[in-house]
Amino acid sequence: QQPVQSPQAVILREGEDAVINCSSSKALYSVHWYRQKHGEAPVFLMILLKGGEQKGHEKISASFNEKKQQSSLYLTASQLSYSGTYFCGTGATTSYDKVIFGPGTSLSVIP
Amino acid sequence: SQTIHQWPATLVQPVGSPLSLECTVEGTSNPNLYWYRQAAGRGLQLLFYSVGIGQISSEVPQNLSASRPQDRQFILSSKKLLLSDSGFYLCAWSVRTHIQYFGAGTRLSVL
Repeated sequence: QQPVQSPQAVILREGEDAVINCSSSKALYSVHWYRQKHGEAPVFLMILLKGGEQKGHEKISASFNEKKQQSSLYLTASQLSYSGTYFCGTGATTSYDKVIFGPGTSLSVIP
Repeated sequence: SQTIHQWPATLVQPVGSPLSLECTVEGTSNPNLYWYRQAAGRGLQLLFYSVGIGQISSEVPQNLSASRPQDRQFILSSKKLLLSDSGFYLCAWSVRTHIQYFGAGTRLSVL
């Protein structure tokens, strides 16, 4: 079952912060975050496994609450290069097979 | 290092014509392989995934089929294309983790 993402779209000015949420009705083992620039393939950002560990690099971080079946992606001090569509993907089992992606959140950073 | 090749990059086909999209992975063995379709402005729809040669799981009943004749080769086919088959087709691979790495994609227009 496809995870739900919110918001559907967000517009930021450079330097502002944003939070993108992802939730599932199923128990989750893993949550993945990808960013897709227009006309390009999605690029992996980070993966969070069951255990609630928060991860991040530079100004992008994420958390995973497996009890609530939710994950959030945090973008701080946004840059123009952060523009794109962000997808969360969820894995329900420990077996390394399929990931179901959410509908995406369009993020636009303007000067 | 691992690389994924997907071709062609762009394809324009008439309704009712056959389709064959190919994806190959280099630099790894026994990868999981995936085909996704992305309609314009929409999310990533998982079509097929494979955990080994000849092993194909279909996620959405439709006009398409997939085959994996070799360990690192994944083919998406159709006998007769429909207008609704238009979209951006992405191949992806993963090995021993849930992290998926995407090819550059094929933009298919069915006219």
